[in-house]
Amino acid sequence: DSGVTQTPKHLITATGQRVTLRCSPRSGDLSVYWYQQSLDQGLQFLIQYYNGEERAKGNILERFSAQQFPDLHSELNLSSLELGDSALYFCASSTRVGLWQFFGPGTRLTVL
Amino acid sequence: AQKITQTQPGMFVQEKEAVTLDCTYDTSDPSYGLFWYKQPSSGEMIFLIYQGSYDQQNATEGRYSLNFQKARKSANLVISASQLGDSAMYFCAMRGGGSQGNLIFGKGTKLSVKP
Repeated sequence: DSGVTQTPKHLITATGQRVTLRCSPRSGDLSVYWYQQSLDQGLQFLIQYYNGEERAKGNILERFSAQQFPDLHSELNLSSLELGDSALYFCASSTRVGLWQFFGPGTRLTVL
Repeated sequence: AQKITQTQPGMFVQEKEAVTLDCTYDTSDPSYGLFWYKQPSSGEMIFLIYQGSYDQQNATEGRYSLNFQKARKSANLVISASQLGDSAMYFCAMRGGGSQGNLIFGKGTKLSVKP
């Protein structure tokens, strides 16, 4: 158990819908990262937050957004969902930027 | 641009034997970190081992060791005494440059351990 929690574990929804994925980092970790793992794109970095502020953006679509709250948990919002958004979404946390990251169990999103 | 290359889509190894998973990287940043993660069929990503670019010695963690050859830009993972539970996908990753800490992943190698 990495200490990073993600909910829900599985999510099935329809095209055009909006979903929210939640992540709680390890106790004491200030940095949260979101990654997407799909069959065609592999593991891709989406966005990073550090102590509530956005730190870096990767290949994140405009339909996707995220935030980190004062208690350091983070949410990834995916809207206007398309079939191609079906993927495993990971949250990872680290004590500070640059240290090794510990991953949550992931949320498997299926868009029908 | 930074890049990680894993050229072995799949590997087989006999139980109790050692196996090497290849990873090469490309970066112009003098300071970087290299990581290996294991992803079993259940899906979670398990951190295995880390090597910093300035580390003088190769990293080791139990049965895992990292064969770091800086001049060749390679960071191969060696698993000694393979076990059936080692069957999984293995990803090599590099920390992004500058102030970013995000990881850049290779495509992975699927390791199958035969009894």
